[in-house]
Amino acid sequence: AQKITQTQPGMFVQEKEAVTLDCTYDTSDPSYGLFWYKQPSSGEMIFLIYQGSYDQQNATEGRYSLNFQKARKSANLVISASQLGDSAMYFCAMREGTSGTYKYIFGTGTRLKVLA
Amino acid sequence: GAVVSQHPSRVICKSGTSVKIECRSLDFQATTMFWYRQFPKQSLMLMATSNEGSKATYEQGVEKDKFLINHASLTLSTLTVTSAHPEDSSFYICSATDLGGVVTEAFFGQGTRLTVV
Repeated sequence: AQKITQTQPGMFVQEKEAVTLDCTYDTSDPSYGLFWYKQPSSGEMIFLIYQGSYDQQNATEGRYSLNFQKARKSANLVISASQLGDSAMYFCAMREGTSGTYKYIFGTGTRLKVLA
Repeated sequence: GAVVSQHPSRVICKSGTSVKIECRSLDFQATTMFWYRQFPKQSLMLMATSNEGSKATYEQGVEKDKFLINHASLTLSTLTVTSAHPEDSSFYICSATDLGGVVTEAFFGQGTRLTVV
């Protein structure tokens, strides 16, 4: 079974508008972490935002916010005021396991294209 | 954020030769490093997890004799692709974490695009 599911292979958004990238996860661990990474065409992975499973509030980092709905096991990324430079591949990831045995599992990604 | 440096960024090698890829954490001690492989337009596939000073843990289906991983220090891990073949051509990317400190996310190197001819 997929541990991280990103159902949107591609998304378009108009510049300056907000966009939501979906991510659902599956784990039986009570303690886990959820991450979003951006991968531009150059290939590097850029960390965007982190949400811990015990965090009460949704994480925010500048224009990025994570809509964490624990009961639904979803961790959607919201990008506000989209910019042309936001065009990239976006990966949702989950860290599970215990100290010394952590693993980071990635979804299949969503390719975002921001239109001028 | 923390810096992870991966070298080389691109390498072309002949079939049958070995290639070494280095992953260094520049400003933190990386107790755990991860090696991923990414095919074009696909997700990152975890190959192995290495903890400093111990043998790497390989994911199912990854040949440990072909993909040699060494994590001899808290700042350096290496992946050696031995007897490379064209099907080993891929994008390899490492990440590092300091699970003993305040760093919670995995920081990634820039990736290495390997082409075997």
